[in-house]
Amino acid sequence: DADVTQTPRNRITKTGKRIMLECSQTKGHDRMYWYRQDPGLGLRLIYYSFDVKDINKGEISDGYSVSRQAQAKFSLSLESAIPNQTALYFCATSGGRHTDTQYFGPGTRLTVL
Amino acid sequence: DAKTTQPNSMESNEEEPVHLPCNHSTISGTDYIHWYRQLPSQGPEYVIHGLTSNVNNRMASLAIAEDRKSSTLILHRATLRDAAVYYCILSSGTYKYIFGTGTRLKVLA
Repeated sequence: DADVTQTPRNRITKTGKRIMLECSQTKGHDRMYWYRQDPGLGLRLIYYSFDVKDINKGEISDGYSVSRQAQAKFSLSLESAIPNQTALYFCATSGGRHTDTQYFGPGTRLTVL
Repeated sequence: DAKTTQPNSMESNEEEPVHLPCNHSTISGTDYIHWYRQLPSQGPEYVIHGLTSNVNNRMASLAIAEDRKSSTLILHRATLRDAAVYYCILSSGTYKYIFGTGTRLKVLA
């Protein structure tokens, strides 16, 4: 079984809809991250969480919110989706040191029409 | 946050070594150098990381310049499965991974 799972894997939605992307991990890590990837570009950090009670904005958090329901679960919400949020979304998890490897999920492809 | 610069793309023949360069002229003394790769339709995966000394693991080697302003990821024998985008990333005591656009490696059969 995969260490980091994301649901759904693909989603098509309309402008103005609320969307939730879910991430679960079995690594037992405290740190979890949400990234966004646009075509031909690297990943950009949306939000990160160091533990259940510690959630922080990344470089592109506008238009997104997150919820850390448990150590193993970290959800990303688009309150009112817009077309320029069409992208590939990755969840990741890591241990507590900045040298610890980040483990990425398989990604969610989101299309906002 | 320190940035990295990589060539957009490189090609290699199968079974030959590949040297992927990365420039990080603004690196600070506490920055670690990480390499990740992203295979088609997958999330990034860890390759290797280091601070000052050269590093080897089962996937690759990392050669770090003496002044640490550049580094090179070495794949000793490229295979078709190594075709991916390779990212060179710096981290310094924080969560932050700043991904650039990476190097797209094409391996020719």
